[in-house]
Amino acid sequence: QKEVEQDPGPLSVPEGAIVSLNCTYSNSAFQYFMWYRQYSRKGPELLMYTYSSGNKEDGRFTAQVDKSSKYISLFIRDSQPSDSATYLCAMKGDSSYKLIFGSGTRLLVRP
Amino acid sequence: DTGVSQDPRHKITKRGQNVTFRCDPISEHNRLYWYRQTLGQGPEFLTYFQNEAQLEKSRLLSDRFSAERPKGSFSTLEIQRTEQGDSAMYLCAGTYSGGNTGELFFGEGSRLTVL
Repeated sequence: QKEVEQDPGPLSVPEGAIVSLNCTYSNSAFQYFMWYRQYSRKGPELLMYTYSSGNKEDGRFTAQVDKSSKYISLFIRDSQPSDSATYLCAMKGDSSYKLIFGSGTRLLVRP
Repeated sequence: DTGVSQDPRHKITKRGQNVTFRCDPISEHNRLYWYRQTLGQGPEFLTYFQNEAQLEKSRLLSDRFSAERPKGSFSTLEIQRTEQGDSAMYLCAGTYSGGNTGELFFGEGSRLTVL
């Protein structure tokens, strides 16, 4: 079983929809939780970063962490065609420098 | 633009050949990572440098793989006696030791195709 599980999709939504992306994990030592966005043939870029549990909002993006359930989410409001990409969750523990990534969810926002 | 450049962007080689990839982070990136990503998968950790010291290596990094970061600046990843299973995107990422510990600045990757 992988340490981080993520539905690969693809997820296809109409423009303007609210998108919900999720990851589950098994390692209770994870304390740092990230969402990266990766466009085709590009490297991943950091979207959101959260430490421990709670919510964080940045513009149209909201990240949620529920450590008790080992479940993290990314919500995208008013989705745009430019949001079409692969979204990767990533996490790490306090005593580690390496990020563990999920397999990524492909999102397609239809105009 | 993250400031992390990788070369070459795409390498096609025959099985059994050696290949080397180079990564140039910005000077402030004292931490440097190599990840491997196959189609439909997330990046898998390969190795990590703090300045010139290689502090961690994944079990994925067999004896055919070696990485260096001389003088704590650029880094190279060499794969000897390539196999078809080595075909993947090799991603380099840099970051600052004092910054957000989750933010890695990735290059655009070096895609390896082994025929």
